[in-house]
Amino acid sequence: EAAVTQSPRNKVAVTGGKVTLSCNQTNNHNNMYWYRQDTGHGLRLIHYSYGAGSTEKGDIPDGYKASRPSQENFSLILELATPSQTSVYFCASGDALGGSAETLYFGSGTRLTVL
Amino acid sequence: GDSVTQTEGQVTVSESKSLIINCTYSATSIGYPNLFWYVRYPGEGLQLLLKVITAGQKGSSRGFEATYNKEATSFHLQKASVQESDSAVYYCALRGYNQGKLIFGQGTKLSIKP
Repeated sequence: EAAVTQSPRNKVAVTGGKVTLSCNQTNNHNNMYWYRQDTGHGLRLIHYSYGAGSTEKGDIPDGYKASRPSQENFSLILELATPSQTSVYFCASGDALGGSAETLYFGSGTRLTVL
Repeated sequence: GDSVTQTEGQVTVSESKSLIINCTYSATSIGYPNLFWYVRYPGEGLQLLLKVITAGQKGSSRGFEATYNKEATSFHLQKASVQESDSAVYYCALRGYNQGKLIFGQGTKLSIKP
């Protein structure tokens, strides 16, 4: 069954440490996205990708890097984690054929706590 | 820029009663945006509930309905009779005409009273 899988599900990191959040999709979708969700806010876009080798900045990219080494995998990297990056992170894939009506398919989320 | 507003962060409804979750939007790009409702059940990722890409049309799924009202710039979610299994967080979202980015509202957590 087509799916978007995130790992880890939960992560506790120390301030200044490096954190890598991984996402794998079996939908064969070109587009992939990383969002964060904080209480009182909608999902906010961090980085996205149109295909292997491409990454684009979203609305809140500061403090984050992204990597898309293949169609299936899209990682979010926090080189120097800070407590303000404590959040729930969602990865999604999208079928670009839908254009502006594109449907996104989400993973279950990664809860990151930075102490 | 474009934005989506959900005024209620949390809603509690008794089982079998009706539900309305409010959503209003502001779209600055030319043309009418596409509108979406996503739902997140406990322990799961978000999934599409319904979408409407034509102003004035209504979308429906799993007993939920939403009408794209371009005059009021609203896209309220309604259900005539809720069930315990509807307990979830509901997100209204917008993508501007010919735009790539999906803009989400804050989400509304729905709790059902037995």
